[in-house]
Amino acid sequence: SQQGEEDPQALSIQEGENATMNCSYKTSINNLQWYRQNSGRGLVHLILIRSNEREKHSGRLRVTLDTSKKSSSLLITASRAADTASYFCATDAGFQKLVFGTGTRLLVSP
Amino acid sequence: SQTIHQWPATLVQPVGSPLSLECTVEGTSNPNLYWYRQAAGRGLQLLFYSVGIGQISSEVPQNLSASRPQDRQFILSSKKLLLSDSGFYLCAWSAVRTSGPSSYNEQFFGPGTRLTVL
Repeated sequence: SQQGEEDPQALSIQEGENATMNCSYKTSINNLQWYRQNSGRGLVHLILIRSNEREKHSGRLRVTLDTSKKSSSLLITASRAADTASYFCATDAGFQKLVFGTGTRLLVSP
Repeated sequence: SQTIHQWPATLVQPVGSPLSLECTVEGTSNPNLYWYRQAAGRGLQLLFYSVGIGQISSEVPQNLSASRPQDRQFILSSKKLLLSDSGFYLCAWSAVRTSGPSSYNEQFFGPGTRLTVL
């Protein structure tokens, strides 16, 4: 399977703590994207990092990319209960389609 | 602005019955269109994608089919549903980008259809 893998599968933290999720993939990529999915809803795009970038920030989100290790991480700082969701990485190898990871379920408790 | 619609939102169907799920996009032209299936608590499995009217690429052989009769309409069908077809079906669109290192393919998802086959 070409699907990427994410770890941990589930993460439970308290409000105010940081949450880190990791994504590994198998092929060369043009870019890697992170998406969020609230329960029972569609996915929402969060951030995109290109293959020639190593780190990118957007608000409380920080994404890193290590193409030599074929891995990426998503850090959510100062988490809030509203951050509770599943988070997916997706890789774009330039073939007009994305390959999604298996997802991390994040639970942020008040 | 662009919007994407899916219907129905939920569907309960008996085994062996036909299926038709519809997805439409507004506010953009010539989008790439995608159908995904998501099993409970799992990741997304790409079923079909289309880069133009009448152009369908199948990712996973199964008893489902897809059609794109109009530029912004994508339909997922089955002649006879199986129990294993149950799941959450998501439609997505992206703007067409050129290939290569500068390309990117940010996708925008619909609200999904929850299908239960009994």
